[in-house]
Amino acid sequence: EDQVTQSPEALRLQEGESSSLNCSYTVSGLRGLFWYRQDPGKGPEFLFTLYSAGEEKEKERLKATLTKKESFLHITAPKPEDSATYLCAVQAWETSGSRLTFGEGTQLTVNP
Amino acid sequence: NAGVTQTPKFRVLKTGQSMTLLCAQDMNHEYMYWYRQDPGMGLRLIHYSVGEGTTAKGEVPDGYNVSRLKKQNFLLGLESAAPSQTSVYFCASSDQYEQYFGPGTRLTVT
Repeated sequence: EDQVTQSPEALRLQEGESSSLNCSYTVSGLRGLFWYRQDPGKGPEFLFTLYSAGEEKEKERLKATLTKKESFLHITAPKPEDSATYLCAVQAWETSGSRLTFGEGTQLTVNP
Repeated sequence: NAGVTQTPKFRVLKTGQSMTLLCAQDMNHEYMYWYRQDPGMGLRLIHYSVGEGTTAKGEVPDGYNVSRLKKQNFLLGLESAAPSQTSVYFCASSDQYEQYFGPGTRLTVT
C-alpha cells in the first residue's frame, strides 16, 4: 500500500526565514510525486511534478527536490502570501486510473 | 477556460435526504475523481472514472454513487445522507499525471 507522510504538521516562519517541508513516501514503483498548494476554502492548486530521484523544479521562492525515499519543498525568503497548506502526493505505476495518494499536508504560516 | 467547476458551492441537508453534486471540466481530460477532505484525514478518494461511461470505487465509496454519462461531467450522488458525510468534496480531472481540482462543495448534514 502506498503511503505518504508529511512533516511537520504545522510550521510558523518569519518573513524572510527560509525553511523546508518534508514528504516521505513508500510506493511500489514511483511514477510521479506531486506538490500542491491549498489556500483556506479553496481546492488544491498544482505546483510541481517530480519523476525521478535527483530531479529538481523551481517556481519563484519554491524549489522541490526528490530522492528515492523523500521529497523536500524548500521555501527561500518566504513572504506572508506563501502562507497555505502544502500537500504532497504520489502516483504509482501499478495504480489504475492514475490515482494519487495524498499526505495530510503541512500548514505553513509566514508572519510579516 | 474555466478548468474544473463544481456546483453547488454550499449545501445543507437533513439526514436521509438525497442530492447530486455536479463536476464539469473543459480540459478534455479522460480521468475524473471525487474526493472528500476532512480535518486530520487528508484527501480521500471516493470514486473515479477512467473515461466516459466508466466508474470505479476508491478508498471510501460507501454511501455514494457516481455517473459519467458525458466525458466532461462527473456526478456524485448521495442517496440517503448521513451526518458522517458532512465534509468538503472536491472534484479533480487528469490526463494521466497531475490532477487539477475544482473549488469544492461544502456539505453539512444535520
